[in-house]
Amino acid sequence: DAGITQSPRHKVTETGTPVTLRCHQTENHRYMYWYRQDPGHGLRLIHYSYGVKDTDKGEVSDGYSVSRSKTEDFLLTLESATSSQTSVYFCAIRNPAGSYNEQFFGPGTRLTVL
Amino acid sequence: RKEVEQDPGPFNVPEGATVAFNCTYSNSASQSFFWYRQDCRKEPKLLMSVYSSGNEDGRFTAQLNRASQYISLLIRDSKLSDSATYLCVVNPYNQGGKLIFGQGTELSVKP
Repeated sequence: DAGITQSPRHKVTETGTPVTLRCHQTENHRYMYWYRQDPGHGLRLIHYSYGVKDTDKGEVSDGYSVSRSKTEDFLLTLESATSSQTSVYFCAIRNPAGSYNEQFFGPGTRLTVL
Repeated sequence: RKEVEQDPGPFNVPEGATVAFNCTYSNSASQSFFWYRQDCRKEPKLLMSVYSSGNEDGRFTAQLNRASQYISLLIRDSKLSDSATYLCVVNPYNQGGKLIFGQGTELSVKP
C-alpha cells in the first residue's frame, strides 16, 4: 500500500470554526490531491499541488484553502466550516514518473459540521 | 450531463456469475482510464488501468472504445469478496493529473 496517512480520521466541529486536515506521504511524490466524496456526487477535486508551494484549484474549491510547505505534507483548511462541508475527505498522491497517471488514496477523514 | 456516467446499480448476482459494468465519458480529450474499487467506508483502490487495446487481469477484463467514449469492466466467476462499489475514472489531458470519477456501480455477490 502507498504510504499515505490522513489526520484526524474523524472530526466533529461546529459551524463557523476553522478546521485543518492533514495528509502525509512517505513516497516523496510530487503531486498531491484533496477530494471530497458525497452521496450522489462521487469524488470531486478540491485542490491539488504539483510541488512545494505550488497549488491549484479543483472544481469545488470555494471555502477551502491548502498549503504545502514540505513535499510530504499537504494541508486542507476550512476557514469557517459550514454544514455543506460535512463530507468524507480523501487525499491522493501521484507519481508523475508512473506510466499512466494512477493516483493512490489515503484512508480518508470523516468530517461532520454541526 | 455528468462527465463520467455509470449505472449506479445495485447489481445483485450469485457467486460464479459474470457481470459487466459500463461507463461513458464526455471529454474526448481524456488520456487515461481506470477502474477503482471502493469498499464501504474505505478509500478507493486502483483495480486496473484501462488500455486502448483492452487488458485482462485474472478474472477482470477492461475494454476501452475511444470512438464511442465508452469503458467497460467484466468480472468473471464472481466471488463474495468482489462485493464493492466500482468506480469508473477518467484522466483528462493536460489538467494536472486530475481524475474525474463516476458515481460508482454497486455490486453485491450473494452465496
